[in-house]
Amino acid sequence: ETGVTQSPTHLIKTRGQQVTLRCSSQSGHNTVSWYQQALGQGPQFIFQYYREEENGRGNFPPRFSGLQFPNYSSELNVNALELDDSALYLCASRRAQNSGYGYTFGSGTRLTVV
Amino acid sequence: ELKVEQNPLFLSMQEGKNYTIYCNYSTTSDRLYWYRQDPGKSLESLFVLLSNGAVKQEGRLMASLDTKARLSTLHITAAVHDLSATYFCAVDTGTASKLTFGTGTRLQVTL
Repeated sequence: ETGVTQSPTHLIKTRGQQVTLRCSSQSGHNTVSWYQQALGQGPQFIFQYYREEENGRGNFPPRFSGLQFPNYSSELNVNALELDDSALYLCASRRAQNSGYGYTFGSGTRLTVV
Repeated sequence: ELKVEQNPLFLSMQEGKNYTIYCNYSTTSDRLYWYRQDPGKSLESLFVLLSNGAVKQEGRLMASLDTKARLSTLHITAAVHDLSATYFCAVDTGTASKLTFGTGTRLQVTL
């Protein structure tokens, strides 16, 4: 297993800009979720993709959007960045939906909005 | 809305001591996860608990799940400095397999 990799590791953007974060899941992991972790807090669920379709969303506005590709990679896009979007963004994948398998988390992308 | 609470939020303990971290959640679930996070790092999976009464142990850490009480515990035996980290529990309600995380417990093991 190759693990879950995210890119870039760090990113600085200006308020109002757009950003795309990338995640490459383990082979066979057809479920991927994205989480936002603000400093000193637990991760908050943004959304989940299963077989390239969004099938769950947390309390995040529509300017947070995503894509999942057939090669087990995915993207998180954030438009019109705000200062409060500064956080660690984590993607997590697992083998199947609603299974007993745990999630594997990537190393995260630290986004700073100035 | 599901709420997941951990206590304590911060725990300072001496090496060699035992302690327990508690994770309470507000709705029915039979899947609970424990993760470890070092500063600035991602989440490392520690335990996956899938049924009432589940108990798992790895080294100095032991986790248990009581779904009727909606309670999970993470017990630390004879703590060592390397266990210093933040520990999160997370509940999977099965709805889109969304994980709801607790507030985290920052553990500091002193010499």
